[in-house]
Amino acid sequence: EIVLTQSPGTLSLSPGDRATLSCRASQSITSSLAWYQQKPGQAPRLLIYSASSRVTGIPDRFSGSGSGTDFTLTISRLEPEDFVVYYCQQCDSSPWTFGQGTKVE
Amino acid sequence: QVHLVQSGAEVRKPGSSVKVSCKASGGTFTNYAISWVRQAPGQGLEWMGGIIPILDTANYAQKFQGRVTITADKSTSTAYMELSSLRSDDTAVYYCASSPRRSIPPPWDYWGQGTLVTVSS
Repeated sequence: EIVLTQSPGTLSLSPGDRATLSCRASQSITSSLAWYQQKPGQAPRLLIYSASSRVTGIPDRFSGSGSGTDFTLTISRLEPEDFVVYYCQQCDSSPWTFGQGTKVE
Repeated sequence: QVHLVQSGAEVRKPGSSVKVSCKASGGTFTNYAISWVRQAPGQGLEWMGGIIPILDTANYAQKFQGRVTITADKSTSTAYMELSSLRSDDTAVYYCASSPRRSIPPPWDYWGQGTLVTVSS
């Protein structure tokens, strides 16, 4: 099973700041990584797939990068609605595992 | 745009089972796969298994093998997840999720609203 480790667990920033979230895989997953955003009481929402492809309708302040074992989600300028939890997920092999999440506060 | 609507909250006793439904609309049910993901209170996300309705083929995470059964009814565009031998640590919100492909692997573009299952004596 591929283990994903997200860091930091909590990121304390202010609106307008740049956020950098990390996700590290226990083995190479090439570019098979997705990022989701989850607001309280809601289902996750897909933001990024294939490590760097943004889903249609997702603001361009969200960007993903990385390959192999190290990945990054960057939010260029935080908006108030961005202060929620983000999860990475590997799409390389079953079971389809998630990181433990990063809370942006 | 696929829309997934799940059944309502459930309360079960330890040792019993629960069956959650996920009704799809806005697309052709046999053109995509459905997965089930759960989230314990305050915890992260965990994939349980998935099904490709057109093939009636289900695939499960090893952790849940033997306890979970995922089925699909093509006539009503509804997928089901049944979890048996419930324990208190099965208390969670259960989500169905889908991708516009006839394969189970993520990423998953569409999600149901979630169903809270509480296991308590």
